[in-house]
Amino acid sequence: AQRVTQPEKLLSVFKGAPVELKCNYSYSGSPELFWYVQYSRQRLQLLLRHISRESIKGFTADLNKGETSFHLKKPFAQEEDSAMYYCALATGTASKLTFGTGTRLQVTL
Amino acid sequence: NAGVMQNPRHLVRRRGQEARLRCSPMKGHSHVYWYRQLPEEGLKFMVYLQKENIIDESGMPKERFSAEFPKEGPSILRIQQVVRGDSAAYFCASSGVGDEKLFFGSGTQLSVL
Repeated sequence: AQRVTQPEKLLSVFKGAPVELKCNYSYSGSPELFWYVQYSRQRLQLLLRHISRESIKGFTADLNKGETSFHLKKPFAQEEDSAMYYCALATGTASKLTFGTGTRLQVTL
Repeated sequence: NAGVMQNPRHLVRRRGQEARLRCSPMKGHSHVYWYRQLPEEGLKFMVYLQKENIIDESGMPKERFSAEFPKEGPSILRIQQVVRGDSAAYFCASSGVGDEKLFFGSGTQLSVL
């Protein structure tokens, strides 16, 4: 069965420091991975997906099949990055997602 | 476009009552997904519907839970004879035909007393 693991419940960093939110997955098929973000009082929204290979708001994520990881990175954290981040794995249709438990990123001055 | 609309935002029920959660997808979207988030857990897929059809209900509990997406009107997630363990946040998402990007609603927080 597929599984997504986000080992950190809370990650607290200083403004300007690098950020890495960890995500590991378990899936026997060909994975399609996403990062979703939920800012305070807002809806869950797509941040990026691995097939797009894009950088959104300075965040990037590389799929590492050898390590079964899809860590989210940003070189310099900003206050507005404070939010809840969920890693998700698509199985079957790309819209049927398995989510991790989420990591709360807290960026402080 | 108001986005995916869910109501009510909060729903309180006593054990044994029925809960009805509504979801109106984004304009032009015909695919609806329901997810449940239990406390301290990630969102878990429940069911995927298109208009008048259940496409995938592999995440739905076998009893008491049902979902529909009629030709007219919102999608409904129905929980009969609720129990305390049903207390959770229920999220709806929608997508368009040929577009795999999901747009989420704000969720309904169900509390069972």
